Amino acid sequence: DTEVTQTPKHLVMGMTNKKSLKCEQHMGHRAMYWYKQKAKKPPELMFVYSYEKLSINESVPSRFSPECPNSSLLNLHLHALQPEDSALYLCASSQDGRMYNEQFFGPGTRLTVL
Amino acid sequence: AQSVTQPDIHITVSEGASLELRCNYSYGATPYLFWYVQSPGQGLQLLLKYFSGDTLVQGIKGFEAEFKRSQSSFNLRKPSVHWSDAAEYFCAVGAVDKGNKLVFGAGTILRVKS
Repeated sequence: DTEVTQTPKHLVMGMTNKKSLKCEQHMGHRAMYWYKQKAKKPPELMFVYSYEKLSINESVPSRFSPECPNSSLLNLHLHALQPEDSALYLCASSQDGRMYNEQFFGPGTRLTVL
Repeated sequence: AQSVTQPDIHITVSEGASLELRCNYSYGATPYLFWYVQSPGQGLQLLLKYFSGDTLVQGIKGFEAEFKRSQSSFNLRKPSVHWSDAAEYFCAVGAVDKGNKLVFGAGTILRVKS
């Protein structure tokens, strides 16, 4: 099984809402990633978890809060977002975060902030 | 700093014709280089990668890429394009000295005409 699943597929939220994005993999991978992709732009790294510890935070605003409850799960908690945060949020995983290990991407969650 | 340039925003080729997508990178050391493909509304799929060794790399779906250090290039090729190859293609460089971060180019949208 080389699949990364993400839920929900689509999410519409107001600026005062609190919501969460979920990502799951069962490949035994120990590194997991959140990327943000605006329309017609490349993905941009937000966070990396390695062995369930946050290893990279690309200066992401605190209204985005990642969580890695176990090695298979990655959440992204959203609070007080802005309309400019509307984007495709991609989750990825790799064996252990080393560069030569392939990152497997999920299909993404399409987020719209009203 | 690491950067990736994909000079062509859009490319249109006829079905059955050959394809070359250009990628130039800027990185101080020997780069880790990747090509990913993204279909509309989907996540990214790895086509191929280069770390060292043979400079001509074979990937999935009949794609290949050639690493040319003297030109700082890693162009993607396919001898005969199929309509199902229509997608967006991203070249990426792995920044080992930045926590194994992937830096993506802006992408090239491939259209295939019948």
